[in-house]
Amino acid sequence: EVQLVESGGVVVQPGGSLRLSCAASGFTFDNYTMHWVRQAPGQGLEWVSLISWNGDSTNYADSLKDRFTISRDNSKNSLFLQINSLRIEDTAFYYCAKGLYYRVLTGPLDYWGQGALVTVSS
Amino acid sequence: DIQMTQSPSSLSASVGDRVTITCRASQGISNYLAWYQQKPGEVPKFLIYAASALQSGVPSRFSASGSGADFTLTISGLRPDDVATYYCQKYNSAPLTFGGGTKVEIK
Repeated sequence: EVQLVESGGVVVQPGGSLRLSCAASGFTFDNYTMHWVRQAPGQGLEWVSLISWNGDSTNYADSLKDRFTISRDNSKNSLFLQINSLRIEDTAFYYCAKGLYYRVLTGPLDYWGQGALVTVSS
Repeated sequence: DIQMTQSPSSLSASVGDRVTITCRASQGISNYLAWYQQKPGEVPKFLIYAASALQSGVPSRFSASGSGADFTLTISGLRPDDVATYYCQKYNSAPLTFGGGTKVEIK
């Protein structure tokens, strides 16, 4: 059974930083592109970033690329998202998601974690 | 970047009705389109890929079609369990933009 479990959701002040983690199990982690998607309370889904199965390729939403960094550790079946210079508008649930296709960079997201809540507030 | 526009933003229909949601891309994306269902308080669920292919386990009352820039998701025989917000997403290339969502309610 595929499982994705996010952690690292916190309350943080504007200007601060945090690192989200996602622990993956139930599939061969280093064969799939992984994604982060966020959802502000009561709002729609916003794709944030992807990283290829081997970590060689990354992509970001244009509005976020300067402050967000995605990474992965295939030896630990883990995905990460570093967010710097946090803003009020970064308040959201952050979901980790698995790409559908074997060793294909872009594709639909077939499994999602439960999400980690990041609250940016002074 | 390609923008994804869904319509309507919300709809209310009766149990048993046929419901159609539209997703339009600002440029052609071939058939690189997925649909997701998010029930209230739940995580998004993957429904459809390649514009029309049902993910395993998705009820057959869900169907989808389209290619290029115009796509539709149809629920044939709306059920109370289908109350949710539905999102399209393009995945031909990054960024993998989502549509704004369509909230489906029971009348």
